[in-house]
Amino acid sequence: QLQLQESGPGLVKPSETLSLTCTVSGGSISSSSYYWGWIRQPPGKGLEWIGNIYYSGSTSYNPSLKSRITISLDTSKNQFSLSLNSVTAADTAVYYCARRKGASGSRDCWGQGTLVTVSS
Amino acid sequence: QSALTQPASVSGSPGQSITISCTGSSSDVGTYNYVSWYQQHPGKVPKLMIYDVSNRPSGVSNRFSGSKSGNTASLTISGLQAEDEADYYCNSYTTSSTWVFGGGTKLTVL
Repeated sequence: QLQLQESGPGLVKPSETLSLTCTVSGGSISSSSYYWGWIRQPPGKGLEWIGNIYYSGSTSYNPSLKSRITISLDTSKNQFSLSLNSVTAADTAVYYCARRKGASGSRDCWGQGTLVTVSS
Repeated sequence: QSALTQPASVSGSPGQSITISCTGSSSDVGTYNYVSWYQQHPGKVPKLMIYDVSNRPSGVSNRFSGSKSGNTASLTISGLQAEDEADYYCNSYTTSSTWVFGGGTKLTVL
């Protein structure tokens, strides 16, 4: 049974860098069949796609966030990570990691989500 | 990229059918059949209900169905049940090789 689990600080100061890790268990992030990605949801608002990464290291990012984000893989730990710099209060959200099947829009497995608050 | 357009809210009585629309453009919904729908109950993780316009994952009730015409995709829920009350989001691939969500629709079961 595939499971994804987000981890990282719940509080980040404005202008600093938000760093989150998603640990995958029950499956390999080195599979060529899937993409691994991040989605966020500000409190009381809708879902926003952040970006994703393929096992080869190829990435795709939301144009509105592209200048501030990096998504990377650590195949030795079966993890992938999100780094978002120069954060502001607008980046306060629940951050989800999720798996998407290749050549499909099927995001069939999500982490539980982690709330990150940007505040001094 | 602009968010896909969904009605803010829809409602229906138990047993009825409702349809939620998701309007995009020729840059996303109109070009690709990679439209998916997610159900989210308050405080819960989004759940995949429909993928690739009209495919249902294993375990999802056949009361849920999806379709697409031109730049608009639709999610139909038949035989409405109290447990269907939730927020619903559509999602589509775009010609920029990115993904975009709809703003979400709150479904109320009267």
